[in-house]
Amino acid sequence: AQTVTQSQPEMSVQEAETVTLSCTYDTSESDYYLFWYKQPPSRQMILVIRQEAYKQQNATENRFSVNFQKAAKSFSLKISDSQLGDAAMYFCAYRSKSGGSYIPTFGRGTSLIVHP
Amino acid sequence: DSGVTQTPKHLITATGQRVTLRCSPRSGDLSVYWYQQSLDQGLQFLIQYYNGEERAKGNILERFSAQQFPDLHSELNLSSLELGDSALYFCASSTRWGSSTDTQYFGPGTRLTVL
Repeated sequence: AQTVTQSQPEMSVQEAETVTLSCTYDTSESDYYLFWYKQPPSRQMILVIRQEAYKQQNATENRFSVNFQKAAKSFSLKISDSQLGDAAMYFCAYRSKSGGSYIPTFGRGTSLIVHP
Repeated sequence: DSGVTQTPKHLITATGQRVTLRCSPRSGDLSVYWYQQSLDQGLQFLIQYYNGEERAKGNILERFSAQQFPDLHSELNLSSLELGDSALYFCASSTRWGSSTDTQYFGPGTRLTVL
């Protein structure tokens, strides 16, 4: 079974600075999806970014980018020019491309605090 | 706004009671997923439906059941409620079961408090 580990329960960053949230996973598969979801105080789960394992290029979405290291099974999220609205819980998730139901496995989350 | 709606937003009830949570997927989405998020357990997958049929089951208790109706909305029924069932319950939807390009979009959640 796949596991997803977020080793940082909490991170903090100054407004306008850059922060990196780490995520590692365990799998024997060669092709899969990785996601980062954001959960702000409103508790809504918002998709931030998605990465396909077979793509070597790191995904980017505006100020959000990932550092995908397939061999190391690492998938970190970099937030540039941090804003107060980035304060949230961030969840890393793994999803298989095989098996049919494609249920993602989520990490326990990292709480990001943004200081003005 | 993800396009997934959930009602009610908040629900307070007593132990032993039964409640029903409702979810409407995004327009065009055929697949619905239910998750439970509690402080000590993180985000736990409960069950998935695709076009009215159950497709996958996770850590769902026997006291819980779900169904997806012909109009594709889904209901999660929780019965004989216990204090430990207090949690945030999310519904997510996606377009197709079995599609490797599918992405789940989450609703705002229903906060259940069992007193």
